[in-house]
Amino acid sequence: AQTVTQSQPEMSVQEAETVTLSCTYDTSESDYYLFWYKQPPSRQMILVIRQEAYKQQNATENRFSVNFQKAAKSFSLKISDSQLGDAAMYFCASIRARDDKIIFGKGTRLHILP
Amino acid sequence: DGGITQSPKYLFRKEGQNVTLSCEQNLNHDAMYWYRQDPGQGLRLIYYSQIVNDFQKGDIAEGYSVSREKKESFPLTVTSAQKNPTAFYLCASSIAGVQFAGELFFGEGSRLTVL
Repeated sequence: AQTVTQSQPEMSVQEAETVTLSCTYDTSESDYYLFWYKQPPSRQMILVIRQEAYKQQNATENRFSVNFQKAAKSFSLKISDSQLGDAAMYFCASIRARDDKIIFGKGTRLHILP
Repeated sequence: DGGITQSPKYLFRKEGQNVTLSCEQNLNHDAMYWYRQDPGQGLRLIYYSQIVNDFQKGDIAEGYSVSREKKESFPLTVTSAQKNPTAFYLCASSIAGVQFAGELFFGEGSRLTVL
């Protein structure tokens, strides 16, 4: 079975600093995808970044980047130059390529300190 | 604008009553999903549908039912059999195809409170 674990229920970071959110996953599949989703206080969840397991290069989207360590089954999210608008719940997720069921971690609530 | 609309945003129900949550999308997506979100639990999949007139149970389907009579609509009924229905419910949709796997578009959610 697929599992996704986020070990940090809450984190805080000073505005303009860099923060890293941790995620580990477990799968026996060779072909899968990993994601980070953001749920701001307004509650509408949006996709932040996506990583294909077969790609060695870490995905990057502006200030958001991932550190994908396939052997260690680790998929952390780095937010550079943190902004007040980054305050949200962040969910790590995975899906098998042959599947339509995406599995979410329990989330990390990120606070941005002004 | 294209998107997913969930209604109502807030709903109160007495114990023993069934209630239906609406989810409509105009993104022309094939797949639709219902998730339940509880504090500290993350998102748990209730039901999903990849095509009209077909749907599959997720991890916590007991006490819930769905229908998919139209591509754009995927209503969720919370029945009286659901033991602990108070929660935040999220509907999502996605384009079919491996290259879009896991890219979900979410609605704003419906908060159900059982009195």
